[in-house]
Amino acid sequence: DTAVSQTPKYLVTQMGNDKSIKCEQNLGHDTMYWYKQDSKKFLKIMFSYNNKELIINETVPNRFSPKSPDKAHLNLHINSLELGDSAVYFCASSASQPGLASSYEQYFGPGTRLTVT
Amino acid sequence: EDKVVQSPLSLVVHEGDTVTLNCSYEVTNFRSLLWYKQEKKAPTFLFMLTSSGIEKKSGRLSSILDKKELFSILNITATQTGDSAIYLCAVEGKNNAGNMLTFGGGTRLMVKP
Repeated sequence: DTAVSQTPKYLVTQMGNDKSIKCEQNLGHDTMYWYKQDSKKFLKIMFSYNNKELIINETVPNRFSPKSPDKAHLNLHINSLELGDSAVYFCASSASQPGLASSYEQYFGPGTRLTVT
Repeated sequence: EDKVVQSPLSLVVHEGDTVTLNCSYEVTNFRSLLWYKQEKKAPTFLFMLTSSGIEKKSGRLSSILDKKELFSILNITATQTGDSAIYLCAVEGKNNAGNMLTFGGGTRLMVKP
């Protein structure tokens, strides 16, 4: 009954490779997010998708691309991985309809630790 | 499995009140506990606590960690409407693969004028 799930939980890969991280939510939410957490523990938003439209993109390199096949999934593709991409990536989701009390409450996935060697 | 539980789930107060938010945890190889404030977009970092009994303070916000009883509290004094947000607690643990954060479900604080 996991609300927001991510796979894989751990990912070790070499520089230059292309990889994907998958995210799925079963909460019926309209908006999904990707965060990057760096070594200083700061969560930084990367993308959010609302009804298949990108609504936030916080100066993320274009090597990162979100793909949303449907409302319940938001996958993160990373091309030409670099050492600096090593971090923990969190997926989250929220109900975005205006007026709902929980409009901005985000449910986080367990995180994916990416290590680029 | 690592677990972080926050209470209360939600809280409604009036401006000027003092609030205390709770976070209890179970984690393998504890490394740190973090508090975030989440408003409309990304959570913003508030505090990181690693040692018991040492209060971290920033303006009207303060937090303390008890590693023996496995909990932390976040205090907000003289609350303002701008304090309305979800407050997230997260705990970093270390396993064979490295450090991972486990988030609690958050406490939704609403401060009324």
